Amino acid sequence: AQTVTQSQPEMSVQEAETVTLSCTYDTSESDYYLFWYKQPPSRQMILVIRQEAYKQQNATENRFSVNFQKAAKSFSLKISDSQLGDAAMYFCAYRGSQGNLIFGKGTKLSVKP
Amino acid sequence: KAGVTQTPRYLIKTRGQQVTLSCSPISGHRSVSWYQQTPGQGLQFLFEYFSETQRNKGNFPGRFSGRQFSNSRSEMNVSTLELGDSALYLCASSEGPNRENIQYFGAGTRLSVL
Repeated sequence: AQTVTQSQPEMSVQEAETVTLSCTYDTSESDYYLFWYKQPPSRQMILVIRQEAYKQQNATENRFSVNFQKAAKSFSLKISDSQLGDAAMYFCAYRGSQGNLIFGKGTKLSVKP
Repeated sequence: KAGVTQTPRYLIKTRGQQVTLSCSPISGHRSVSWYQQTPGQGLQFLFEYFSETQRNKGNFPGRFSGRQFSNSRSEMNVSTLELGDSALYLCASSEGPNRENIQYFGAGTRLSVL
């Protein structure tokens, strides 16, 4: 069975600084997708970024980028120029052949002004 | 396009009752998935529907059921509620059931069982 592990329950970053959230996963599949979702206090899960396992190039979306290491089964999220609005729970998720998302426990990110 | 709509936003029930939650997907999306979110267990997959058929089911007891209608709207039902069913129930829709299809989430229904 696939598993997703986020080892940092909480992280803190100063506004305008850079922070990296860690995620590791376990799978025997070769074709899958990885996601980072953000869940602010409003509860709505918002997609931050998506990475296809077959693509070697790391995905980037504006201030958000990932470091995808397939062999190490690592998928970290880097947030540059952190903003107050980035404060939220961040979930790493895996989607393979089963079709459903498998989530990590989440990392609560605080942004200090 | 309107996003994923879940109703109601909040529900309070007592043990032994049953409850029905509703989810309207993004227009054109034919796949709907349900997840349960609790502080202890995190986000857990309940089931997925595509074209009115259940494609996949998580490890939950038979008290949890769902269905999808021809317009892709979905409902989930929990019978004989237990205290442990208190959770945020999230619905997600996507164009299809394949792994490359992005799942978009609703704001959830907060269920409290007293």
